[in-house]
Amino acid sequence: DAKTTQPNSMESNEEEPVHLPCNHSTISGTDYIHWYRQLPSQGPEYVIHGLTSNVNNRMASLAIAEDRKSSTLILHRATLRDAAVYYCILRVTGSARQLTFGSGTQLTVLP
Amino acid sequence: KAGVTQTPRYLIKTRGQQVTLSCSPISGHRSVSWYQQTPGQGLQFLFEYFSETQRNKGNFPGRFSGRQFSNSRSEMNVSTLELGDSALYLCASSLTVHTEAFFGQGTRLTVV
Repeated sequence: DAKTTQPNSMESNEEEPVHLPCNHSTISGTDYIHWYRQLPSQGPEYVIHGLTSNVNNRMASLAIAEDRKSSTLILHRATLRDAAVYYCILRVTGSARQLTFGSGTQLTVLP
Repeated sequence: KAGVTQTPRYLIKTRGQQVTLSCSPISGHRSVSWYQQTPGQGLQFLFEYFSETQRNKGNFPGRFSGRQFSNSRSEMNVSTLELGDSALYLCASSLTVHTEAFFGQGTRLTVV
């Protein structure tokens, strides 16, 4: 499986935007980029996914570099409830079905 | 609509015993996956079921097994428990194997 690299931890102030980076230099053409987050004492939660174009949903935006070797999850206004571990995962549609989680980025939101 | 339900939420077992964990997926979801989460190893894939068939298996010993019923509910079983099996066991369901996964809150297993 192609690997992702994320910073271990990041901090943000409440109500400010947060940009969570992910490097995936060995990504292949069929790999989708998925983001999940895990709040304390809960199971992971789907955030967003994309292939080549930038994506937006009610939770976040996903910006994908033109060469697809990196991506950034954008939380437009961080709240205390966004404090979680964020996982960037590459998923090949049609073959390996499981999610391969790395160590993720622990996001701390400061009031 | 109801989310993924895992039972029990907490469990304490003794070494050598066996345990069965249950997962009820979101209604209509046919794919169920199981993951183990420990502080040292993080989240690791155990196995995935679709339409009552195991489609994929992670790198775990044969003591870990599972099954899926015709109503898509799934169970996983761990026999001859070891201290290292203490973990949070998470179940995830998805509409198909290609769509986003929805996770339950997990079963916290403690082996003493």
